[in-house]
Amino acid sequence: GQQLNQSPQSMFIQEGEDVSMNCTSSSIFNTWLWYKQEPGEGPVLLIALYKAGELTSNGRLTAQFGITRKDSFLNISASIPSDVGIYFCAGQFPGAGSYQLTFGKGTKLSVIP
Amino acid sequence: DGGITQSPKYLFRKEGQNVTLSCEQNLNHDAMYWYRQDPGQGLRLIYYSQIVNDFQKGDIAEGYSVSREKKESFPLTVTSAQKNPTAFYLCASSIDRGGYQETQYFGPGTRLLVL
Repeated sequence: GQQLNQSPQSMFIQEGEDVSMNCTSSSIFNTWLWYKQEPGEGPVLLIALYKAGELTSNGRLTAQFGITRKDSFLNISASIPSDVGIYFCAGQFPGAGSYQLTFGKGTKLSVIP
Repeated sequence: DGGITQSPKYLFRKEGQNVTLSCEQNLNHDAMYWYRQDPGQGLRLIYYSQIVNDFQKGDIAEGYSVSREKKESFPLTVTSAQKNPTAFYLCASSIDRGGYQETQYFGPGTRLLVL
């Protein structure tokens, strides 16, 4: 089946630093979604991208839908301790009646105060 | 408040026992989903339902069953046939756009442990 490669697997950064993570695939996507999950909780939607080249911001978060439709990145600026968690990318492949999202394995972010 | 609720938060299963996880949403979403999450893994789809009284198998449906008798509810039963049920189970829902641009919203999850 389709796979998403999410990197890095984990990051340790100093508070105030900027963060960048990305997802790539060998197949094209209709939709890219970025979620954040905290321990013992469900993922929370951060940003949804629906068009190739689309660049969307949500506060300190910025995400882009790659022009080739095969990748996406998420940037976090001026990180703070509450940014800690696991960030997942998810993509939807083209196809009639395709309700399935494919998820990356996550990037675990640790912020050192 | 609109949202997705899952209960219980923690569930213990004895060997050979069936258990049912609850998922309710008041978002008026048409589609609902069940995922399984294991440590260090992405989410894997168990079942999904686009409409009441209809559901489809996902990637790992063996050992699980679902029903969709009401739009708001999509319970998941973990049967005794599921040999490795210990995991974090997540329910999600989305507006039905005909399978296109499905933005899914998640509940808080149920952690299932086998005794």
